[in-house]
Amino acid sequence: QKEVEQNSGPLSVPEGAIASLNCTYSDRVSQSFFWYRQYSGKSPELIMSIYSNGDKEDGRFTAQLNKASQYVSLLIRDSQPSDSATYLCAVNVDSGAGSYQLTFGKGTKLSVIP
Amino acid sequence: DGGITQSPKYLFRKEGQNVTLSCEQNLNHDAMYWYRQDPGQGLRLIYYSQIVNDFQKGDIAEGYSVSREKKESFPLTVTSAQKNPTAFYLCASSRDRGLGSSVRYGYTFGSGTRLTVV
Repeated sequence: QKEVEQNSGPLSVPEGAIASLNCTYSDRVSQSFFWYRQYSGKSPELIMSIYSNGDKEDGRFTAQLNKASQYVSLLIRDSQPSDSATYLCAVNVDSGAGSYQLTFGKGTKLSVIP
Repeated sequence: DGGITQSPKYLFRKEGQNVTLSCEQNLNHDAMYWYRQDPGQGLRLIYYSQIVNDFQKGDIAEGYSVSREKKESFPLTVTSAQKNPTAFYLCASSRDRGLGSSVRYGYTFGSGTRLTVV
């Protein structure tokens, strides 16, 4: 079973601070990595994708990938109360016979305290 | 606007009853997926379809059935064999078929159907 692991949290950060969300994965050959944000009672929304080692920035969000360590992270700068949500890490895995799917972690709940 | 529409938003099922959840997309995506989410749990894959007239079981297919007769539509039936159906059901689609190549564009999710057994 190819797994994606996240700390369930809750992760609490004060408003304006940097929130750091982490994810590890077991499939060494995974090539695509995604972060989704899910507000309570709502469906997941794609916020970041990353494919190469290093950092990718989009506004207040930065995704970081280290394939050697099988580790992907999401940094949220200047955290706002509206960032309070559960963040899901998703990793592309080969489910066999050349069929690829996303495997999701259970998510980290982030709470930004005003 | 393109997107995925799930209906109904809320559904109540009586014991022993089959119910069907609708999922329609106008994104021209080949691949479609059904997930179940329980409180505090991650997404668990029920069924997926990478092309019309073909679908595959996911990790928790028992008690569920699907069809994919049209590219736009991927309905999920929760049968009476599913003993614990109360959950949040999410349909997703992807422009990647996921056949022979990685998922590059991620999945787009519908707004979900919340199913409750009464």
